[in-house]
Amino acid sequence: ETGVTQSPTHLIKTRGQQVTLRCSSQSGHNTVSWYQQALGQGPQFIFQYYREEENGRGNFPPRFSGLQFPNYSSELNVNALELDDSALYLCASSLRGFSEQFFGPGTRLTVL
Amino acid sequence: AQRVTQPEKLLSVFKGAPVELKCNYSYSGSPELFWYVQYSRQRLQLLLRHISRESIKGFTADLNKGETSFHLKKPFAQEEDSAMYYCALSPHQAGTALIFGKGTTLSVSS
Repeated sequence: ETGVTQSPTHLIKTRGQQVTLRCSSQSGHNTVSWYQQALGQGPQFIFQYYREEENGRGNFPPRFSGLQFPNYSSELNVNALELDDSALYLCASSLRGFSEQFFGPGTRLTVL
Repeated sequence: AQRVTQPEKLLSVFKGAPVELKCNYSYSGSPELFWYVQYSRQRLQLLLRHISRESIKGFTADLNKGETSFHLKKPFAQEEDSAMYYCALSPHQAGTALIFGKGTTLSVSS
């Protein structure tokens, strides 16, 4: 059984650019959630995907968007990057109907 | 509003001392409560959840609905318990979004 993987590990972008982060869910899991963790803060829920559709969204603007693929892997896209988007982005997978979420190692995004 | 509050940013104790990491929550319904832990250079992982009533690595947490608290306790701290601890709330039993507190760093020294 493989755990949740995320790529890339680190990323540096400039303001106004666009970024795509990737996540492979744990084997057998059909639900993916994305979180943003700013320095010194707890993770904040961005959105969740189930059956390739968005299934819940936190307080993030529309420039944060996502996709889930038939193999349950997922992407997080952020357009028009702002300095405040600098954070650790965490992906978590779970099985629908079960509460435990399994987290990936995260992608560290720096916006200059 | 749904909120999780962890009032202590840092808790420093000596090995063998009791530990209590505080967590208070704000939610009008019946949430599911969790403690997640992140050891140095490791990913975030579930420590325990209130519905399972388990003791994991000697830690326990009791949900007090009257005080809306879910404090994490261990009678005798070990150096390997040093980590960042996050309290989290899930508004739905099916486990959708997790709402996290800001976390408490536990430092156990000998």
